[in-house]
Amino acid sequence: DQQVKQNSPSLSVQEGRISILNCDYTNSMFDYFLWYKKYPAEGPTFLISISSIKDKNEDGRFTVFLNKSAKHLSLHIVPSQPGDSAVYFCAASVGVSSSNTGKLIFGQGTTLQVKP
Amino acid sequence: DTAVSQTPKYLVTQMGNDKSIKCEQNLGHDTMYWYKQDSKKFLKIMFSYNNKELIINETVPNRFSPKSPDKAHLNLHINSLELGDSAVYFCASSQDIAYNEQYFGPGTRLTVT
Repeated sequence: DQQVKQNSPSLSVQEGRISILNCDYTNSMFDYFLWYKKYPAEGPTFLISISSIKDKNEDGRFTVFLNKSAKHLSLHIVPSQPGDSAVYFCAASVGVSSSNTGKLIFGQGTTLQVKP
Repeated sequence: DTAVSQTPKYLVTQMGNDKSIKCEQNLGHDTMYWYKQDSKKFLKIMFSYNNKELIINETVPNRFSPKSPDKAHLNLHINSLELGDSAVYFCASSQDIAYNEQYFGPGTRLTVT
């Protein structure tokens, strides 16, 4: 039972354009969402996150949007750069309170290729 | 300075052997994790420790046993290795259990032949 899904295994974008990576989830108890970026032979690195009390969080070229009613989040990268080429994982967790176990549920990743 | 380090980076071994993967973090974090990334690229949590106390123990065979000698280290011991154990294993840490931002090590690619 895959609770976090990234239905697009790959995405190709021209440099300078917008990249939009999508993620869907099924568990309505999830209240914190994160995006990780992963280069080959390296571990995932934290990129940006959003709490369920917000619908948007922005950090430089990266913006995450959350649509709770649709159980959908997206990561926008603008402008895209060749160095952004990597695998992007979306992750979700339950609870930022003291009851949080720290468990992250990951999607299967989307490979982004930004062409020069 | 590497924040979360794992050794070895690559591990090739035969079925039936026992092996260990070591993880160390120098971030001063209280919580550490082990994840497994299988051939389908899914990252799944296996264990987490908070201040040396086991918090998460997912449905993992008993052949896998984490050990945390102190809060900066979380090692993974695997007994009687099987072909299906071949995967990339990632260690991660977070400031404490209430913080969701986890910092990952570079991974250990385990190949069981």
